[in-house]
Amino acid sequence: NAGVTQTPKFRILKIGQSMTLQCAQDMNHNYMYWYRQDPGMGLKLIYYSVGAGITDKGEVPNGYNVSRSTTEDFPLRLELAAPSQTSVYFCASTQRGERYEQYFGPGTRLTVT
Amino acid sequence: DAKTTQPPSMDCAEGRAANLPCNHSTISGNEYVYWYRQIHSQGPQYIIHGLKNNETNEMASLIITEDRKSSTLILPHATLRDTAVYYCIVRVAGGGSQGNLIFGKGTKLSVKP
Repeated sequence: NAGVTQTPKFRILKIGQSMTLQCAQDMNHNYMYWYRQDPGMGLKLIYYSVGAGITDKGEVPNGYNVSRSTTEDFPLRLELAAPSQTSVYFCASTQRGERYEQYFGPGTRLTVT
Repeated sequence: DAKTTQPPSMDCAEGRAANLPCNHSTISGNEYVYWYRQIHSQGPQYIIHGLKNNETNEMASLIITEDRKSSTLILPHATLRDTAVYYCIVRVAGGGSQGNLIFGKGTKLSVKP
């Protein structure tokens, strides 16, 4: 299993541009999450999904959109990028069960200038 | 806000046990103690979790006090590769919104040769 994969690894955007961060998992997990991590800080939840077709907002959803058309994929869309969105973005997934441990992708480092 | 308190940093000699403390005095009866670590800006990695009994796996041991207000993560023989930020998180075991991992700033563990 590849686990959780994210693309791209790095991206520089100009203010006002848009982009989609890709996330895929091959573990057939129900739950998927998007977090952002600002320098020196912990992770904050942007959006999550409990299954295909179902998404919901986390703590910091403004400026982002998500979709979940398949179990495997959970893309994050940035519209009208702003410098405040400069961060490292992590995707994670987990499965229903006793442990509910989350598996994280390697992250996408985004700079908006 | 994170419901846990951890020291910001700790040092440990290579080959010695690393004992990382965590206070969670407001933990609820149905909340577990989870530990994750993040090695140099990689995605966080699950280590271990427990409810009230001590737990051990191939990576670490978790000791939870009888009143559940604090816990200690033990890495029995720390190596240089264990240098990372360690996060103690209390949460119910679940997906969806319950899966939101509320990260504090964690403890930066430096393992020295």
